[in-house]
Amino acid sequence: KQEVTQIPAALSVPEGENLVLNCSFTDSAIYNLQWFRQDPGKGLTSLLLIQSSQREQTSGRLNASLDKSSGRSTLYIAASQPGDSATYLCAVSPAASKLTFGTGTRLQVTL
Amino acid sequence: EAQVTQNPRYLITVTGKKLTVTCSQNMNHEYMSWYRQDPGLGLRQIYYSMNVEVTDKGDVPEGYKVSRKEKRNFPLILESPSPNQTSLYFCASSMTGGSAYYEQYFGPGTRLTVT
Repeated sequence: KQEVTQIPAALSVPEGENLVLNCSFTDSAIYNLQWFRQDPGKGLTSLLLIQSSQREQTSGRLNASLDKSSGRSTLYIAASQPGDSATYLCAVSPAASKLTFGTGTRLQVTL
Repeated sequence: EAQVTQNPRYLITVTGKKLTVTCSQNMNHEYMSWYRQDPGLGLRQIYYSMNVEVTDKGDVPEGYKVSRKEKRNFPLILESPSPNQTSLYFCASSMTGGSAYYEQYFGPGTRLTVT
């Protein structure tokens, strides 16, 4: 059974820092991996989608990498801003039509 | 605006009183899915639908029903709600039934409390 772990569970950094969020999964047989952002009281917003054949994806200040063989992904956020404060969720697609989520990293960026 | 909508956003009900949470998407997506989110457990899939009239169980389907009569709508039905179904529910959709190549778009969530 696929399990997804995100470490740390919570993180607080001062504005301007570069930071890395980690995601690990137990079964490397995945279709893709997706990073989401969740704001309090709101739904999930897709940030980046990495296909199983890809190594990384970039969008603005965000860069996500995927190492299937080791079962790891990282989300790199450059020059963090207070508006980046949210919970970040990692999800892998172990089969078509399915997403298995981690429990998230709650990020707070302070002034 | 492309979006997934859910109604109601908040619901407090009593044990055993049937309820329906609606979900609608305007992106002509084939695939739709329901998740519940609980502290410490993350999001877990309840049911999904690859296309109209095609539905299947996810990881936690007990106590729930779904139907997919139209492409845009995918209601979640709780025939006899119980307190352990108190949770935050999300509906999602994507372009194809296989999530292999297309990202999933999520609704804003429905917070359900069963007393």
